[in-house]
Amino acid sequence: EAGVAQSPRYKIIEKRQSVAFWCNPISGHATLYWYQQILGQGPKLLIQFQNNGVVDDSQLPKDRFSAERLKGVDSTLKIQPAKLEDSAVYLCASSSVHEQYFGPGTRLTVT
Amino acid sequence: DQQVKQNSPSLSVQEGRISILNCDYTNSMFDYFLWYKKYPAEGPTFLISISSIKDKNEDGRFTVFLNKSAKHLSLHIVPSQPGDSAVYFCAATSYTGGFKTIFGAGTRLFVKA
Repeated sequence: EAGVAQSPRYKIIEKRQSVAFWCNPISGHATLYWYQQILGQGPKLLIQFQNNGVVDDSQLPKDRFSAERLKGVDSTLKIQPAKLEDSAVYLCASSSVHEQYFGPGTRLTVT
Repeated sequence: DQQVKQNSPSLSVQEGRISILNCDYTNSMFDYFLWYKKYPAEGPTFLISISSIKDKNEDGRFTVFLNKSAKHLSLHIVPSQPGDSAVYFCAATSYTGGFKTIFGAGTRLFVKA
């Protein structure tokens, strides 16, 4: 069974630039999550999708972050414009029940 | 508002001995508790879970204990192996139209050979 795929693995941008991350979840998983993980902290949920719909985006900074899930499968997360404090690892995960399966993450550095 | 707390940032254990990682939570409404393991440059991987109606779940060398009255859970690894060296995240899940999970800050385990 293929795991959760994410790209790119690493990205370096300057502040005020935009960036997009892509995620392909495990086939058949209805729920998809985007997390932000800052060094020394646990993953923090940004947005959660159930099929096409958003279940929880309460911690998504909506003035600069946006996300969509295409046809209930792939998902993209965008940051525009980026700030220095957005430097983190962005993790995508998918699940069918309570345990989640994570991709390798995208390490974003904003300079 | 930290609903899931891992108060030990790191733990060092000798190979072959027991590793005990601890986690405290504040919300009585969580349905499941989970442990994830994370190696550098990889995403977390699911290790073991326990339902809120149970008090123990075992899977090979890994056992999770849940003490609901104390709002405390622990992960026991016996015997510890050098390959167990990683960051361990405690997580708690509640179902409200979808499973919502909150993670602790993690404990870095060092297993010395």
